[in-house]
Amino acid sequence: DVKVTQSSRYLVKRTGEKVFLECVQDMDHENMFWYRQDPGLGLRLIYFSYDVKMKEKGDIPEGYSVSREKKERFSLILESASTNQTSMYLCASSSGTSGIGSGFFGPGTRLTVL
Amino acid sequence: AQSVSQHNHHVILSEAASLELGCNYSYGGTVNLFWYVQYPGQHLQLLLKYFSGDPLVKGIKGFEAEFIKSKFSFNLRKPSVQWSDTAEYFCAVSFHNTDKLIFGTGTRLQVFP
Repeated sequence: DVKVTQSSRYLVKRTGEKVFLECVQDMDHENMFWYRQDPGLGLRLIYFSYDVKMKEKGDIPEGYSVSREKKERFSLILESASTNQTSMYLCASSSGTSGIGSGFFGPGTRLTVL
Repeated sequence: AQSVSQHNHHVILSEAASLELGCNYSYGGTVNLFWYVQYPGQHLQLLLKYFSGDPLVKGIKGFEAEFIKSKFSFNLRKPSVQWSDTAEYFCAVSFHNTDKLIFGTGTRLQVFP
């Protein structure tokens, strides 16, 4: 019953490190999203992708980049991690025809940057 | 800028009490509306959604929500809550029929037996 998986549930990194968060979906969905979730702020969209090799900025892209080389995989990259990027990161995917209402969220990666 | 507001940040209820969580959005065009729930330690799950048609939407676990276009609101309701409803609830909106979801800040619900 696997749908959206994220490479790590918990991750601890040091300031300045390059960090990769991986997301894989097994539903052949076209659309994939990265959000971060912070207490009192809800979920905020970082980047999204509607197709392989396509990416678009969300509301808070600064300090992040993404990669979508294969349809099923969407990677979030922190080029130089900073303490203000300590957060829960959620990946989601959805079908282009059915929309986000048919989509799924992954379990999240709790990243701590020391 | 488009935004979603959830007015209740933390709600505490006893079992069998009625629940209403507020959600308002700022956009005059076509919207799709969603409520998600996140139980402690679990994935975000879709509770219900509104795309068009009957503005009263029924979801899973006895939840329902009503879309009132004139008030830009999509409030979540449940007539009788259970201890197992303890969770965080997020309202979300997508605009222009896109898949980009804008979330509210969430409401933490605690239900005591």
